Amino acid sequence: SQTIHQWPATLVQPVGSPLSLECTVEGTSNPNLYWYRQAAGRGLQLLFYSVGIGQISSEVPQNLSASRPQDRQFILSSKKLLLSDSGFYLCAWSVRRSGRTYNSPLHFGNGTRLTVT
Amino acid sequence: TQLLEQSPQFLSIQEGENLTVYCNSSSVFSSLQWYRQEPGEGPVLLVTVVTGGEVKKLKRLTFQFGDARKDSSLHITAAQPGDTGLYLCAGALSGSARQLTFGSGTQLTVLP
Repeated sequence: SQTIHQWPATLVQPVGSPLSLECTVEGTSNPNLYWYRQAAGRGLQLLFYSVGIGQISSEVPQNLSASRPQDRQFILSSKKLLLSDSGFYLCAWSVRRSGRTYNSPLHFGNGTRLTVT
Repeated sequence: TQLLEQSPQFLSIQEGENLTVYCNSSSVFSSLQWYRQEPGEGPVLLVTVVTGGEVKKLKRLTFQFGDARKDSSLHITAAQPGDTGLYLCAGALSGSARQLTFGSGTQLTVLP
C-alpha cells in the first residue's frame, strides 16, 4: 500500500532562518506531488506541484521554493523565513494519469506545523 | 475572491441531529471531492462526484453534485461525535488545466 511521510511534525524557527521540509512517498511510482499551506481551520492554498523529477510549478509567488530531487521525494525550502510563513504545511500525492490529472484524489501526509518567531 | 464558498463556516450540533453542509460556486466543475480533516492530520478523501445530479451515499453521509455542476452538498444523518472535523470540498474547474481548488471549509463539532 502507498504511504506518505512528512517531517518534522512541528517546527519553531526564528525569522530569517532557513527552512527545509521533506516529504517522501512509498508504494507508488511517478506520482504527482504537491505542497499546500493551511491557515488555522481553513482551506488549503496550493504552493507548488510537480509532475516529475525536476519539474516544479509554482502557484503563489513568495519566498518559498520546492525541489524534487527524486521521483518520490519533494522538498519545501526557504532561505529566510518571514513571520507570515507560519502555518500548517501539507504534502500530498496523486496518481499521475495521461491527460486530465488535476482531478485525481489527493493523499495527504500528516503535515508540519511551522511557527516562525 | 474564493472560487468555492462553503457554508456554514462553523456548525455545532448535538449527537443524533441531522445537518447539511454546502459548497457553492459560480463556476462549473468537472468533478468535486469532499475531504474530512481531523486536528493535526491531513485531509482524507470521502468521495468524488463527477456527474451533474449525482448522489453518493457513504453510510450516514449523502453527497450530491448539483445538476449544473456548480455546487455540492453533504448531508449527515444522525450525527455522531466521531463525525467532528473540518469538511473541505475541492473542485476541478471544467475546461481548465488548473489544479484542484479547495473551499474554505466547514468546522463541524458534534457534542455528545
